[in-house]
Amino acid sequence: AQTVTQSQPEMSVQEAETVTLSCTYDTSESDYYLFWYKQPPSRQMILVIRQEAYKQQNATENRFSVNFQKAAKSFSLKISDSQLGDAAMYFCACSTSGTYKYIFGTGTRLKVLA
Amino acid sequence: DAGITQSPRHKVTETGTPVTLRCHQTENHRYMYWYRQDPGHGLRLIHYSYGVKDTDKGEVSDGYSVSRSKTEDFLLTLESATSSQTSVYFCAISGDGLNQPQHFGDGTRLSIL
Repeated sequence: AQTVTQSQPEMSVQEAETVTLSCTYDTSESDYYLFWYKQPPSRQMILVIRQEAYKQQNATENRFSVNFQKAAKSFSLKISDSQLGDAAMYFCACSTSGTYKYIFGTGTRLKVLA
Repeated sequence: DAGITQSPRHKVTETGTPVTLRCHQTENHRYMYWYRQDPGHGLRLIHYSYGVKDTDKGEVSDGYSVSRSKTEDFLLTLESATSSQTSVYFCAISGDGLNQPQHFGDGTRLSIL
């Protein structure tokens, strides 16, 4: 069975600083994708970044980047130059071949301090 | 933004009553999903569909049923609502391909008294 674990229920970061959110996953599939979603207080689910398991290069989207450690099954999200608008719940998710099911972690609430 | 509409956005009902939530998409995507979101549990998959009349159970399917008679509509039904089904429900869609992210509706807040 696939699992996705986010061990940090809550994190805080000072505005303009850098923060890293952790995610570990477990799957027996060789072909899979990993995603980070952001859920602000508006409740919308917004895709932040995605990573293909076959790509060694870490994905980057502006201030957001990932540290993908395939052997360790780790997929952390780094937010640089944190802004007040980054305050949200962040979910890590994994999709694998065969089922098209997506498994989500329990989320990390990020607070950004002015 | 992906065209996904959930209705209703909010609903309050009583224990034992039937409830149907609707998800409508304009993207012609094959895959549609229903999740519930509860504090401390993240998003948990209830049911999903991989085509018209093709559905399968997720991890928390007990007490829920779904139907998909058209590509654009995916209905979630609580046959006899219970207070434990009070939650925020999200519909999501995705296209073909493992790299396709899910796109979510705005959610339905359902309260069962």
